[in-house]
Amino acid sequence: QTVVTQEPSFSVSPGGTVTLTCGLSSGSVSSDSYPSWYQQTPGQAPRTLIYGTNIRSSGVPDRFSGSILGNKAALTITGAQADDESDYYCLLYMGSGISVFGGGTKLTVL
Amino acid sequence: QVQLVQSGAEVKKPGASVKVSCKASGPGDTFITYYMHWVRQAPGQGLEWMGVSNRYGAGTTYAQKFQGRVTMTRDTSTSTVYMELSSLKSDDTAVYYCARDKGGNSWDYWGQGTLITISS
Repeated sequence: QTVVTQEPSFSVSPGGTVTLTCGLSSGSVSSDSYPSWYQQTPGQAPRTLIYGTNIRSSGVPDRFSGSILGNKAALTITGAQADDESDYYCLLYMGSGISVFGGGTKLTVL
Repeated sequence: QVQLVQSGAEVKKPGASVKVSCKASGPGDTFITYYMHWVRQAPGQGLEWMGVSNRYGAGTTYAQKFQGRVTMTRDTSTSTVYMELSSLKSDDTAVYYCARDKGGNSWDYWGQGTLITISS
């Protein structure tokens, strides 16, 4: 069974840039995987940041961007702010109506 | 403003079933045109995709893990989707979320979440 992989944790300095990735245990991520990204803070419902690889959801600041880097999907935060400290999840479409979340990345801003 | 409002928290015994509702409201709502997903999150764990109620009445697709135990239905007359999970076990204790998808995995709105606790 294919697993969606993410870095368990990452840290970035305020004002810095960080790129989180989302890969597959077997195979490559492409736009056909419709990669999407979600931000979640403790006790809150997830918030959609990016869908369709690189389309920002309504109200999402442009410091968040999505792309394909090599064989992975990527979420880049440019000019990180303190309130970007959250858990970030990617979601990939596997075909036949099935989607799978990655394990999530805990981002620390310090 | 579109809202997805879920039913309240429940405590269930092992072996029982639970049915969670998710009602959509808001301007220009054409409920039938959206996919509706269900996701759960166990305490301290990540998000887990459970399945989807497809748009235009095109049935459902479930994660293999939940096949045979989960049923997702929708009532277009009330813009409500339901997720029923049976044969509950302690590790089904989680917050369950619904989310709206415009197509191509473009999820735009999430419900507030419903805590389901399994305890004898």
